[in-house]
Amino acid sequence: QQPVQSPQAVILREGEDAVINCSSSKALYSVHWYRQKHGEAPVFLMILLKGGEQKGHEKISASFNEKKQQSSLYLTASQLSYSGTYFCGTETNFGNEKLTFGTGTRLTIIP
Amino acid sequence: DVKVTQSSRYLVKRTGEKVFLECVQDMDHENMFWYRQDPGLGLRLIYFSYDVKMKEKGDIPEGYSVSREKKERFSLILESASTNQTSMYLCASSLCFRYRDNYGYTFGSGTRLTVV
Repeated sequence: QQPVQSPQAVILREGEDAVINCSSSKALYSVHWYRQKHGEAPVFLMILLKGGEQKGHEKISASFNEKKQQSSLYLTASQLSYSGTYFCGTETNFGNEKLTFGTGTRLTIIP
Repeated sequence: DVKVTQSSRYLVKRTGEKVFLECVQDMDHENMFWYRQDPGLGLRLIYFSYDVKMKEKGDIPEGYSVSREKKERFSLILESASTNQTSMYLCASSLCFRYRDNYGYTFGSGTRLTVV
């Protein structure tokens, strides 16, 4: 079952913050986050496995709620290089090995 | 640097042709995947393989088959190409779940296939 990502698109000025959400109707085993720049391969950002987990660093971080049905990606003090499409990928069962991706959030950072 | 290499960046094929998309990884990963990416639909899983000669259907396997004869190579086959298979095809690989606490998928750069 495909996770729901929101918003679909967002435009920010440099230095502003963004939050991208990814939600599932069922509890998940894990959530992955990827960024894809135009014409390039998606690049892995981070994986969250535990309910209540927060991960990342000051500028790009993510959380996974206690019920393991929602994750959020936080982009703080955005830079031009953050532009791209962000995807969450979800794994529903332990050992399932395959990810189901959301439809993506297009992030545009303007000077 | 670890790599997933897809044999072609752009392909144009005619309706009804048999099409082979090749993917090679140099990371000794157990798992390999084929996704197609279409605007507004995200990435949808076609097939995946967790070991040599093993394969499992993904969400949209109709019209496709796969082959994995060696660990590093995973081929996607369009048996008889149709215009609705025009898309960006992405190959990915990953470690099996036992080892990937901090690792995700590594993607290739994609093959943009146009069927005319």
